[in-house]
Amino acid sequence: AQKVTQAQTEISVVEKEDVTLDCVYETRDTTYYLFWYKQPPSGELVFLIRRNSFDEQNEISGRYSWNFQKSTSSFNFTITASQVVDSAVYFCALSEADMRFGAGTRLTVKP
Amino acid sequence: NAGVTQTPKFRVLKTGQSMTLLCAQDMNHEYMYWYRQDPGMGLRLIHYSVGEGTTAKGEVPDGYNVSRLKKQNFLLGLESAAPSQTSVYFCASSRPGTRSDTQYFGPGTRLTVL
Repeated sequence: AQKVTQAQTEISVVEKEDVTLDCVYETRDTTYYLFWYKQPPSGELVFLIRRNSFDEQNEISGRYSWNFQKSTSSFNFTITASQVVDSAVYFCALSEADMRFGAGTRLTVKP
Repeated sequence: NAGVTQTPKFRVLKTGQSMTLLCAQDMNHEYMYWYRQDPGMGLRLIHYSVGEGTTAKGEVPDGYNVSRLKKQNFLLGLESAAPSQTSVYFCASSRPGTRSDTQYFGPGTRLTVL
């Protein structure tokens, strides 16, 4: 069965700090996809990244970076030089057939 | 393009009442989904559809029914609402292909059942 664990329920940082959000997954499949979504206070879900199980290259997009390690079944998300606008709930998700979401990590960035 | 839209945005029901949530997408996506979001539990799949006229159960289907009469619309029905169905409901859609493709979400419907 597929499962996603986001062990950090809430994280609070001060602006300009770097922060890493952890995501650990369980799956029996060799082919699967991993996602990160952002849910700002306004409530909508914003797609951030999709990564397939065969691509372990790290991804960087501006201040965002993702570290995918199959050996540890982890897909961690780092925000560099955090900003107040990064405050949101972040969800990691795993898809074999159906999408399974983690419980989310609430990130608060204080000025 | 409006993307994925949901109506209504908010609704309050009494126990036992029925209602239908409407999801519409203008991206010509084949696949559509209904999720519920509860505190501390992330999103859980209720039902999904891989094409017009087809529906299937997700992780938490009990108490809900769905219909996909048109490709662009996916309806979620509650026949007899219960307080346990108080939640935020999200609709999503994805391209033809597999259900592993990126899903694009609507703005959500906040439902309270008293």
